[in-house]
Amino acid sequence: EIVLTQSPGTLSLSPGERATLSCRASQSVTSSYLAWYQQKPGQAPRLLIYGASSRATGIPDRFSGSGSGTDFTLTISRLEPEDFAVYYCQQYGSSQLTFGGGTKVEIK
Amino acid sequence: EVEVLESGGGLVQPGGSLRLSCAASGFSFSTYAMTWVRQAPGKGLEWVSAISGSGGSTYQAESVRGRFTISRDSSKNTLFLQMNRLRAEDTAVYYCARAVGTKGKYYFDYWGQGALVTVSS
Repeated sequence: EIVLTQSPGTLSLSPGERATLSCRASQSVTSSYLAWYQQKPGQAPRLLIYGASSRATGIPDRFSGSGSGTDFTLTISRLEPEDFAVYYCQQYGSSQLTFGGGTKVEIK
Repeated sequence: EVEVLESGGGLVQPGGSLRLSCAASGFSFSTYAMTWVRQAPGKGLEWVSAISGSGGSTYQAESVRGRFTISRDSSKNTLFLQMNRLRAEDTAVYYCARAVGTKGKYYFDYWGQGALVTVSS
């Protein structure tokens, strides 16, 4: 099973600032099969990024994904008030699918 | 518009059984894999099980293997999760989601709002 470790656990930032979230895998993720999700309190997760860097339908271009192998990054270029949430990475390079533990982006 | 809607959650005693359903609409159900993902109270996401579009292939997390069974009825556009020998640690919100990919390698593009399962005496 591929273990995903997200860091930091919590990121305290102000609206307008840049957010950089990390997701590190315990072994290489095949074909960059890495997705990112956003979850707000009381809501279902929402797909942001798949294939490490492809934005899902309707996702603003301030969200971008990068990385390969074992190191992946989600960047939010300028935080909007609605972006404060928990973010999860998920690998689908093997049929034992796994999620990271999440990074909470909170208002400073 | 793609929609998935879970039902069947509730309170069950340890060792008991429960079946969750997920009604899908707005897309060609039989051409997409589907999945269940759960979230324990205050915790992160945990993938549970997935099934191919045809229903011919299924995949489970080790934590539920042998206890949970995923299935689908394409005539009713409905996904199921049969949960047996439930434990306290199975308490969670269970999300149904549409899965994209092949041979068990899926990401999830549309999610339902979840069904709460509580395992307690």
